[in-house]
Amino acid sequence: DAGVIQSPRHEVTEMGQEVTLRCKPISGHNSLFWYRQTMMRGLELLIYFNNNVPIDDSGMPEDRFSAKMPNASFSTLKIQPSEPRDSAVYFCASSRGDGRNEQFFGPGTRLTVL
Amino acid sequence: DQQVKQNSPSLSVQEGRISILNCDYTNSMFDYFLWYKKYPAEGPTFLISISSIKDKNEDGRFTVFLNKSAKHLSLHIVPSQPGDSAVYFCAARAYGQNFVFGPGTRLSVLP
Repeated sequence: DAGVIQSPRHEVTEMGQEVTLRCKPISGHNSLFWYRQTMMRGLELLIYFNNNVPIDDSGMPEDRFSAKMPNASFSTLKIQPSEPRDSAVYFCASSRGDGRNEQFFGPGTRLTVL
Repeated sequence: DQQVKQNSPSLSVQEGRISILNCDYTNSMFDYFLWYKKYPAEGPTFLISISSIKDKNEDGRFTVFLNKSAKHLSLHIVPSQPGDSAVYFCAARAYGQNFVFGPGTRLSVLP
C-alpha cells in the first residue's frame, strides 16, 4: 500500500484566497483525521471522520475551515478565506476501526499564507 | 490547557549513549499511550505503545516506561544512533476518546 497520500505537498497563497488540501487514506481504514502542526501548539486534531461521517469537529478553529469526506478514499480540508495565521503543516492520518487505534500519517501539506 | 506535556523542546545526546524523552499528562483517565517519531518533511510514524495495565514495554533499542501514579511516561533509546535524530511525539487517549498529542521533543544524536 502507498500509505496516506496528501496533496499538494506545499502551498503558498495570498491572504483571502481559498485553499483546498486533499487526502487519500489507506485502503480499508475506517477513520480519517486532519491535524495541524505549529511550533506553538504542536499537533492539534482538527476533525475526525469515521466511515465517512464527521464525528468530532471541535478542533476546527472557526467557520473558515471546513472538511468533507465524500467517500472512503478521499477527503478535503478547505480554508476560505485563508489568513496568515493559518500557515502551518497540515497532516492527514487514517486508522482501522473506530479511530482509537494506531494512526498512519501522510507526509503533510506545508501551507504558507502571505 | 495541554493534557499531554513534553517539557523539553529539544535534547542532544552523544551517539552510543542513552536518550531519555519525557512526557507528562494530566488526565487520569488516559489508558493507552503511543510514541511517534517524525523526520523533517515526513509525517509522524508510530514507534512504540504501552497500555496502562503495564509499566514497561520494550522493542529493540526502544523502551517505554509508564508511572501511572506520577502521570509520567518516558521513552528510552539505547544505544542512541544518529538516525534517531527526529522529533518525538507522545500521545495519549482515554477509553472511547481520540488521541491527544504532546508538542514534541527534538532529539539530536551527535556522532
